[in-house]
Amino acid sequence: QQQVKQSPQSLIVQKGGISIINCAYENTAFDYFPWYQQFPGKGPALLIAIRPDVSEKKEGRFTISFNKSAKQFSLHIMDSQPGDSATYFCAASRDAGNMLTFGGGTRLMVKP
Amino acid sequence: ETGVTQSPTHLIKTRGQQVTLRCSSQSGHNTVSWYQQALGQGPQFIFQYYREEENGRGNFPPRFSGLQFPNYSSELNVNALELDDSALYLCASSLQGGYGYTFGSGTRLTVV
Repeated sequence: QQQVKQSPQSLIVQKGGISIINCAYENTAFDYFPWYQQFPGKGPALLIAIRPDVSEKKEGRFTISFNKSAKQFSLHIMDSQPGDSATYFCAASRDAGNMLTFGGGTRLMVKP
Repeated sequence: ETGVTQSPTHLIKTRGQQVTLRCSSQSGHNTVSWYQQALGQGPQFIFQYYREEENGRGNFPPRFSGLQFPNYSSELNVNALELDDSALYLCASSLQGGYGYTFGSGTRLTVV
């Protein structure tokens, strides 16, 4: 199975709050887990990515938490801002340069 | 350093027609992948090209075909268009053996 399941489908957060998006995968051969941010009319842009040899990676306000045994990973956006309002996709791939399998996306709205 | 550029940005075609979409990869990248993103869904992998040959394909019929040129630019061709082919088509470039893709802004194809 190559599926990646993402939740929630939509999320509304107040400015300054924490946004949390979760993903679960089935294929244990996946070894690269990126998160993409997509604004309307634009292509996905890489936000942050993690390999399964670490359980957490932080870049600025964005943190990925990874649970290999549960086959789950999540994106946390701290101090959420209205400019973070976008659609977020988790993805996974097996080996470098291989196809990405995307989750269904989460539409985030950060209210001022 | 230029990013991934795609043309045209929008296209309207009639069912049964053929269409060609174009992509220029990011400078230094030698691998091109194409993804189809239906409205409200995550991108789906179509195929990948490296050294002018297809080296990976998703669950898409043979009427979806592609080319990669010596300068690493690429084309996606779709024959016998169907209404369900209406989607955003994304091109992504990467370095063979490396992690991480750079996506273009896509071509919005509408089949009527």
